[in-house]
Amino acid sequence: AQSVAQPEDQVNVAEGNPLTVKCTYSVSGNPYLFWYVQYPNRGLQFLLKYITGDNLVKGSYGFEAEFNKSQTSFHLKKPSALVSDSALYFCAVRVTGGGNKLTFGTGTQLKVEL
Amino acid sequence: DGGITQSPKYLFRKEGQNVTLSCEQNLNHDAMYWYRQDPGQGLRLIYYSQIVNDFQKGDIAEGYSVSREKKESFPLTVTSAQKNPTAFYLCASSIGQGKVHPPQHFGDGTRLSIL
Repeated sequence: AQSVAQPEDQVNVAEGNPLTVKCTYSVSGNPYLFWYVQYPNRGLQFLLKYITGDNLVKGSYGFEAEFNKSQTSFHLKKPSALVSDSALYFCAVRVTGGGNKLTFGTGTQLKVEL
Repeated sequence: DGGITQSPKYLFRKEGQNVTLSCEQNLNHDAMYWYRQDPGQGLRLIYYSQIVNDFQKGDIAEGYSVSREKKESFPLTVTSAQKNPTAFYLCASSIGQGKVHPPQHFGDGTRLSIL
């Protein structure tokens, strides 16, 4: 079965510093991976996805993610964090054979401080 | 603007009562989904529908029911059989089959609490 793991419940970073939010995956077959962001009391917003091709995927709001097949990872990155990036981030993987169903990680709370 | 509307934003349920959460989308999406979000557990799939008049159970369907009579609407009923209904409920939609790996679009959720 497809699954993703987010090993950090919370990540703290200073504004202007680079940020990384980690995600590892376990799939049979090709991985189709997604990152979403959630602000308090709101729904999830799509940031980016990896389907195939270039291992560095660029997304919304200056975020990018690096796909690493040998390490089965799909870490979310941003070169310079903003206080407004503080939110809950979810990694997800598409469930094969199940339409467009996604399985989500448990989420990582990102806190960017001045 | 196109999007997904969930209502109400907050809902309270009495013991033994069924309550229905509304989800409407004007994105012309075929597929719709209901998730439950609990702190520290991420999102868990309750039900999903890939096309009108068809739906399938997700990972935690017990105590819930849905209908999909119209493309735009996918209401979720939390029945009295759901013993721990307090959670944040999220509805999502996506382009359906035939389109590859589309992202899901989410509403802003309904927070359900027990009185």
